[in-house]
Amino acid sequence: AQSVSQHNHHVILSEAASLELGCNYSYGGTVNLFWYVQYPGQHLQLLLKYFSGDPLVKGIKGFEAEFIKSKFSFNLRKPSVQWSDTAEYFCAVNAGGFKTIFGAGTRLFVKA
Amino acid sequence: NAGVTQTPKFQVLKTGQSMTLQCAQDMNHNSMYWYRQDPGMGLRLIYYSASEGTTDKGEVPNGYNVSRLNKREFSLRLESAAPSQTSVYFCASSEIGGGISYEQYFGPGTRLTVT
Repeated sequence: AQSVSQHNHHVILSEAASLELGCNYSYGGTVNLFWYVQYPGQHLQLLLKYFSGDPLVKGIKGFEAEFIKSKFSFNLRKPSVQWSDTAEYFCAVNAGGFKTIFGAGTRLFVKA
Repeated sequence: NAGVTQTPKFQVLKTGQSMTLQCAQDMNHNSMYWYRQDPGMGLRLIYYSASEGTTDKGEVPNGYNVSRLNKREFSLRLESAAPSQTSVYFCASSEIGGGISYEQYFGPGTRLTVT
């Protein structure tokens, strides 16, 4: 069965620190990859997505992610976090069809 | 353009009571989904509807039923609530193309407590 692993459940950073959140998936075929963000008290919204093409994708608010097929990874990065980036981040994988598998999420807290 | 709306936002039920969570989308998407979100477990798919008139089980369907009322609306029913169903429920919709599900758009969620 497909699975998505997010290695860090909780991350605490100071403002201006760099961020990298890990995401690995278990499916070996063609996949579509997503990162969603859930700000406190809000619903999930899309940060960025990868379907094909350039494996380095850029999303909103300065986030980017790199798809490394050989490592089954899709790690999320941001060079300099802000207090407003405090949120929960979910990696998600769709391997075709209607079922998208979500990781358990990473709670990020940014200290001002 | 409201996107995906859900009602109610909060609900407290006693064990054995029933209720229906409502969801509507105005983006003309064919596919709709119900998820539950529990701490440390991410989002788990309860049921989905690929298109109007069809529904299918997801990862955790037990204790739930769904109805795709029309293209806009997709409801989730708990016939006999149990404390294990205490969770936050999200509805989502998406478009499908070439056999691939595009990004999903989520509603604001329903926080359900079963005592």
